[in-house]
Amino acid sequence: NAGVTQTPKFQVLKTGQSMTLQCAQDMNHEYMSWYRQDPGMGLRLIHYSVGAGITDQGEVPNGYNVSRSTTEDFPLRLLSAAPSQTSVYFCASSYSVLDTQYFGPGTRLTVL
Amino acid sequence: GENVEQHPSTLSVQEGDSAVIKCTYSDSASNYFPWYKQELGKRPQLIIDIRSNVGEKKDQRIAVTLNKTAKHFSLHITETQPEDSAVYFCAAREGGGNKLTFGTGTQLKVEL
Repeated sequence: NAGVTQTPKFQVLKTGQSMTLQCAQDMNHEYMSWYRQDPGMGLRLIHYSVGAGITDQGEVPNGYNVSRSTTEDFPLRLLSAAPSQTSVYFCASSYSVLDTQYFGPGTRLTVL
Repeated sequence: GENVEQHPSTLSVQEGDSAVIKCTYSDSASNYFPWYKQELGKRPQLIIDIRSNVGEKKDQRIAVTLNKTAKHFSLHITETQPEDSAVYFCAAREGGGNKLTFGTGTQLKVEL
């Protein structure tokens, strides 16, 4: 089992560029989520999904889109990157919100 | 939505001493409270969790207590060791929903 994988590990973007952060899990988890981690602000929920075809907004959804076409994949799209989106992004998966969240290794994103 | 406050933001203890980290939450219907540990440069990992029908839970040197009336829960680490040095995050699941809200984290340093 690979667990939760994320690509890329590092990314530098220019303001206005778009990109997709990839997240995949092989544990047949229904619940998947995206967090951003900024110094002193903990982990903030961006979007989450309770199953294929179902997504919902978290605490800080503006500027990000998600889709969940399969159980395994949950990509996060930055539509037009801004310096405020410089952060470390973690994807997580679990059987439900009440179960252990398994985090991916993270993507460090810098927007210039 | 749910609001989780975590204190202190930094905590330094001597090896062998106990450490206590406290969190308060705002949603009285919240019913699931996990704690995650994040070592430097690593992903967060679950160390212990508690549900609202339980007042205390222990796992070796780690314990969590929950006071539903006061809406706060605490992490207790006894006989601290250098490998306990990390950032610890508390979280609360909003009542009836699918969002997990994290606290801002506590940097624990165990000194020799």
